[in-house]
Amino acid sequence: DSGVTQTPKHLITATGQRVTLRCSPRSGDLSVYWYQQSLDQGLQFLIQYYNGEERAKGNILERFSAQQFPDLHSELNLSSLELGDSALYFCASSQVSGANVLTFGAGSRLTVL
Amino acid sequence: AQSVTQPDIHITVSEGASLELRCNYSYGATPYLFWYVQSPGQGLQLLLKYFSGDTLVQGIKGFEAEFKRSQSSFNLRKPSVHWSDAAEYFCAVGARNTDKLIFGTGTRLQVFP
Repeated sequence: DSGVTQTPKHLITATGQRVTLRCSPRSGDLSVYWYQQSLDQGLQFLIQYYNGEERAKGNILERFSAQQFPDLHSELNLSSLELGDSALYFCASSQVSGANVLTFGAGSRLTVL
Repeated sequence: AQSVTQPDIHITVSEGASLELRCNYSYGATPYLFWYVQSPGQGLQLLLKYFSGDTLVQGIKGFEAEFKRSQSSFNLRKPSVHWSDAAEYFCAVGARNTDKLIFGTGTRLQVFP
């Protein structure tokens, strides 16, 4: 157990729907990162939050949004889902910003039918 | 821009044989370098990291990697592979002024008895 908790583990939904993925970082970690892993794109960085503030943005679609709450958990919202959004979504956390040492959760597998 | 290349998509070795997984990076300065392992259905686990100093770094599970600036490489090695090492291995680079990691496309390792 890495200490980073992601829910749900699996999610099956239909095109056009909206889902929310949840992440609780490791105790003491202030930074949360979201990555998408798909067969065609590999591991893509989506977005990072540090202590509630957005710190860095990667290849995140406009249909996707995220936030980090005061208790440091984070949610990734995916809307108007398309078949191509089917992927494994990883959350990672790190203790401080700039350390680059990420601890990953087990991921949330999203299947869009 | 930063990038990571893992030229080998799939490698098969016999148990007990030595292993070397290749990683080349592109970055203007000395980056932070990482190797992560992903077992089936699991998240990514950090094997080892290089920030500075000794260019030969030791990691968990008997792995080591060597940073070669002249070749922009950070190859992962293990002298004797165990069946439990079968997994997907990702090389990643982090810039010193950002937090995100850029991952390679991964190398899938298969181990035969």
